[in-house]
Amino acid sequence: AQSVTQLDSHVSVSEGTPVLLRCNYSSSYSPSLFWYVQHPNKGLQLLLKYTSAATLVKGINGFEAEFKKSETSFHLTKPSAHMSDAAEYFCVVSETGKGGYNKLIFGAGTRLAVHP
Amino acid sequence: EPEVTQTPSHQVTQMGQEVILRCVPISNHLYFYWYRQILGQKVEFLVSFYNNEISEKSEIFDDQFSVERPDGSNFTLKIRSTKLEDSAMYFCASSEARGTDTQYFGPGTRLTVL
Repeated sequence: AQSVTQLDSHVSVSEGTPVLLRCNYSSSYSPSLFWYVQHPNKGLQLLLKYTSAATLVKGINGFEAEFKKSETSFHLTKPSAHMSDAAEYFCVVSETGKGGYNKLIFGAGTRLAVHP
Repeated sequence: EPEVTQTPSHQVTQMGQEVILRCVPISNHLYFYWYRQILGQKVEFLVSFYNNEISEKSEIFDDQFSVERPDGSNFTLKIRSTKLEDSAMYFCASSEARGTDTQYFGPGTRLTVL
């Protein structure tokens, strides 16, 4: 079974400083990995997706993530945090189930706080 | 931009009552999912649905749960007799294709069972 581990439950940064949200995955084959973001009272929005085309994946709002197979990591970064980045972030791996249908396996989430 | 919608945003019910959570997936999507998140816990897969059939269901999805696509636009999750432990945020998602295609999520329905 596949799984993801988000190494920090809370991360706090100052506006304008870099963001690093850490994620490690466990998979028996080359996984499809995602980062989703959830703002308060909003749904889960896709930030970016890795499907083996390129190890560095660029997403929306200036976020990017790098797939490192040797480290089984898929950390999310952003060079400069903005107040609007404050939200909960989920690292997600796709697991292929019966009949080829995929289901998503979520990490526990990292709550990002951004201070002025 | 097309989006998944869910109603109601918040549902309060008494233990033992039936509830129906509604979702309108993105119009050209063919694969539908329900997930839930109990407060303080991970988002968990409940069920996937395609071509009017359940493709896969988790251990959580017992006989109290059912899903249906009653018409060409809605996708519903029914809990027949709610328990206190069913209190959670329920997310609907849809995707255009199966496999590793991206799933798009709705805003969720917060279910509170008293």
